[in-house]
Amino acid sequence: EVQLVESGGGLVQPGRSLRLSCAASGFTFDDYAMHWVRQAPGKGLEWVSGISWNSGSIGYADSVKGRFTISRDNAKNSLYLQMNSLRAEDTALYYCAKDLGAAPAGYFQHWGQGTLVTVSS
Amino acid sequence: DIQMTQSPSSLSASVGDRVTITCQASQDISNYLNWYQQKPGKAPKLLIYDASNLETGVPSRFSGSGSGTDFTFTISSLQPEDIATYYCQQYDNLSALTFGGGTKVEIK
Repeated sequence: EVQLVESGGGLVQPGRSLRLSCAASGFTFDDYAMHWVRQAPGKGLEWVSGISWNSGSIGYADSVKGRFTISRDNAKNSLYLQMNSLRAEDTALYYCAKDLGAAPAGYFQHWGQGTLVTVSS
Repeated sequence: DIQMTQSPSSLSASVGDRVTITCQASQDISNYLNWYQQKPGKAPKLLIYDASNLETGVPSRFSGSGSGTDFTFTISSLQPEDIATYYCQQYDNLSALTFGGGTKVEIK
C-alpha cells in the first residue's frame, strides 16, 4: 500500500524558512515523479512544485519560484520542500503527491494527509 | 498560465439524481485533464484521468468526457457517500499545473 507521510509544518514568522519532508513507502520511490500541492484554509488546491525520479526535471508555480526548492533523496525514500522568505499567503496544508510515472506528467495519483504551515507574526 | 473555469461552484441534489459538473480551459489542452474528489478533512482522490479514464477502484457511476477546452464530469446516480468537493486539473503545461476552483456537492 502506498503511504506518504508529510512532516515539518508549523507556525513560522514571515520572512523565515521551513523545510517540509515526505516519507514514502509501499512503492519503489525512485521510479516515480513527486509533487507538492497546497490548500489554503477553506480554499482550493494549488500545485506548488514537481520533480522527476532523478531530479533532472523540476517545476515550480510562479507564486513560489525563487523562494521554494524541491528535492528528493531516493536512498531515503524522501521528498523535501525548502521554503524560504515565507509570506502570509503561503499559509496552507501542504500535501505530498505521487505521480503516475517517472517524469512529472501531472497526475496526482496518491496523496499524503498533509502538513500545516502557518505563516504569522 | 492556463485557467480552468469550473461550474457550478456548488450544487444540491437528491440521492439518485444525475449530477453534472463542467470545466472549461482557457486554451486547448487536448485530453490532459483529471478529476479529483475531496471529502471534508481528507486528502483529494484521483477519480478520472486523461479526461475520461476511470481510476482503478472508482465506482462506475463516475464518468468524464470532453477534449480541447470543454470537459464534463458526471455522477450518474448520486449517493450519500459522494458528498465532497470535486476539482478538475489540467496537465497540458507541466510548468504550470492548474486546478479548477472546485464544485461542492451536497445532498438536498
